[in-house]
Amino acid sequence: DAGVTQSPTHLIKTRGQQVTLRCSPKSGHDTVSWYQQALGQGPQFIFQYYEEEERQRGNFPDRFSGHQFPNYSSELNVNALLLGDSALYLCASSLRGGGSNQPQHFGDGTRLSIL
Amino acid sequence: GQNIDQPTEMTATEGAIVQINCTYQTSGFNGLFWYQQHAGEAPTFLSYNVLDGLEEKGRFSSFLSRSKGYSYLLLKELQMKDSASYLCAVRDSGAGSYQLTFGKGTKLSVIP
Repeated sequence: DAGVTQSPTHLIKTRGQQVTLRCSPKSGHDTVSWYQQALGQGPQFIFQYYEEEERQRGNFPDRFSGHQFPNYSSELNVNALLLGDSALYLCASSLRGGGSNQPQHFGDGTRLSIL
Repeated sequence: GQNIDQPTEMTATEGAIVQINCTYQTSGFNGLFWYQQHAGEAPTFLSYNVLDGLEEKGRFSSFLSRSKGYSYLLLKELQMKDSASYLCAVRDSGAGSYQLTFGKGTKLSVIP
């Protein structure tokens, strides 16, 4: 049973560039959430995708956008990268309607470094 | 808004018991989760509480008091591998809300 997979593992970009991160949810899950985790901090919610639509969004600028595909996989896009975007980006999947006690399952994340 | 507080760091001895506290002030509440995160790895689910009281799962227990906005994670018979960050997360209320708001995490160091 494959868990949540993310790619790439590490990425180095320069300011102003654009980046795309990818996530495949755990088998049987239909909902994908993205989180940003700065060093020494807890994960911060970016947005959640369900049925190929953004259902909820955290306090992140429009530079952060996403997409969900029919197979439930998802992409996170960040434009005009800033130094402050350096962080671990975590993808979490869950089953919507699976009950409020269903936990989100996290991938190992993509470590993004901005130079 | 959401505000979740946890101690930044704790140290405990192998074989001992440690309690990690979490207090929250949220505009809505639909459950509290505890996750474990080893350095450089994904957070892994430990426990879930939505009603007041204690949930026990092996060496790990979690307690919730909704009226006090308070939870704790209790780790018994500590092992070296329990050295990790422990994240408290609250889920919003509201139909279809699955957003988790995390605390900054408590870094637990288990020493021999």
